[in-house]
Amino acid sequence: SAVISQKPSRDICQRGTSLTIQCQVDSQVTMMFWYRQQPGQSLTLIATANQGSEATYESGFVIDKFPISRPNLTFSTLTVSNMSPEDSSIYLCSVAGTAAFNEQFFGPGTRLTVL
Amino acid sequence: AQRVTQPEKLLSVFKGAPVELKCNYSYSGSPELFWYVQYSRQRLQLLLRHISRESIKGFTADLNKGETSFHLKKPFAQEEDSAMYYCAPLWGDYKLSFGAGTTVTVRA
Repeated sequence: SAVISQKPSRDICQRGTSLTIQCQVDSQVTMMFWYRQQPGQSLTLIATANQGSEATYESGFVIDKFPISRPNLTFSTLTVSNMSPEDSSIYLCSVAGTAAFNEQFFGPGTRLTVL
Repeated sequence: AQRVTQPEKLLSVFKGAPVELKCNYSYSGSPELFWYVQYSRQRLQLLLRHISRESIKGFTADLNKGETSFHLKKPFAQEEDSAMYYCAPLWGDYKLSFGAGTTVTVRA
């Protein structure tokens, strides 16, 4: 299994500002993903973080709003840009490719509140 | 369109009673299916995958391709089973699509 940490664990931000969330894995992984969980909602995939190339975004998510970096096989960042209260969510990092049967491992999440 | 439905948002059962969480999916092809669980103050973790046909913590799930269902069952619920459960089909390049989730409360 993979051990995943995220920083920060939570933050309160002002609208119009940006926040960068870090995801660190204890081993090299093939796939890294970013999810959003809005209050009272399920998880929605934002994008796949690709090492050495631009992230692959799902419908409804764009690079200008959620720029993602993945400089190596153990680290990724997600930036939430020009925040509004609607961006208040839990943001989760997950990884796959370290275990059999396509199992994904999830980070603890970053709880973001935008005022 | 690809879709997964968990019709019960909340499920409350007594300890020792059977529990069944429903999941129906609408996908082209044959997705892999998973159940993920999130206990209070813990991160999301894998509970079951249909391909391995395991029984984890007394839970089982049978894939019914005819009914496109993947219901999760346990014959005798325990208090420690209280958690949020997500049904999650896997499609294309490891991508998971999560259902709305079912919150299970097991009462003593």
